[in-house]
Amino acid sequence: AQTVTQSQPEMSVQEAETVTLSCTYDTSESDYYLFWYKQPPSRQMILVIRQEAYKQQNATENRFSVNFQKAAKSFSLKISDSQLGDAAMYFCAFYTGNQFYFGTGTSLTVIP
Amino acid sequence: DTGVSQDPRHKITKRGQNVTFRCDPISEHNRLYWYRQTLGQGPEFLTYFQNEAQLEKSRLLSDRFSAERPKGSFSTLEIQRTEQGDSAMYLCASSFGQGHEQYFGPGTRLTVT
Repeated sequence: AQTVTQSQPEMSVQEAETVTLSCTYDTSESDYYLFWYKQPPSRQMILVIRQEAYKQQNATENRFSVNFQKAAKSFSLKISDSQLGDAAMYFCAFYTGNQFYFGTGTSLTVIP
Repeated sequence: DTGVSQDPRHKITKRGQNVTFRCDPISEHNRLYWYRQTLGQGPEFLTYFQNEAQLEKSRLLSDRFSAERPKGSFSTLEIQRTEQGDSAMYLCASSFGQGHEQYFGPGTRLTVT
């Protein structure tokens, strides 16, 4: 069975500081993709960053970067220079075999 | 094209009634997904279409749920004989190509009274 675990239900960060959100997953598949999605309050889910499992290099998208540890099945998201607009629920997701599996989310608060 | 759209945005129905939701994906996207999201949880996969073919269906999807995607364009999700436990946000997402980058719609919030 495929599972995604986000062990931090809530996190907070000071504006302009850096925060890391944790995600672990469990799978026996070798071919998969990992994603972080952001869901602002009452707004639709948007893709933040994507990582292919076969790529060793960690993905980056502007202020967002991941630390992908394949052997440990860990996929954390680092947000640098946090902004008020980063406040949202963040979901880690895992794709394999035509299905997506989502974690339970981490609610991020950005403190001005 | 302004993205994935879903209709209606909100639906209140009485237990036992049937409801149907519609999703219009981004026009060039051949993959379409339905999810259910309850408060405080991540989206749960329900079903997946590639073009008009329904290729995956979650075990969570009871016989009361059915989805279609005629002609590989828009999709409908029908719930028959609704139960209070069906109250949730129903999300649709579409994607194209090997990257599997999904674009989500705003969702349909279903309340079963």
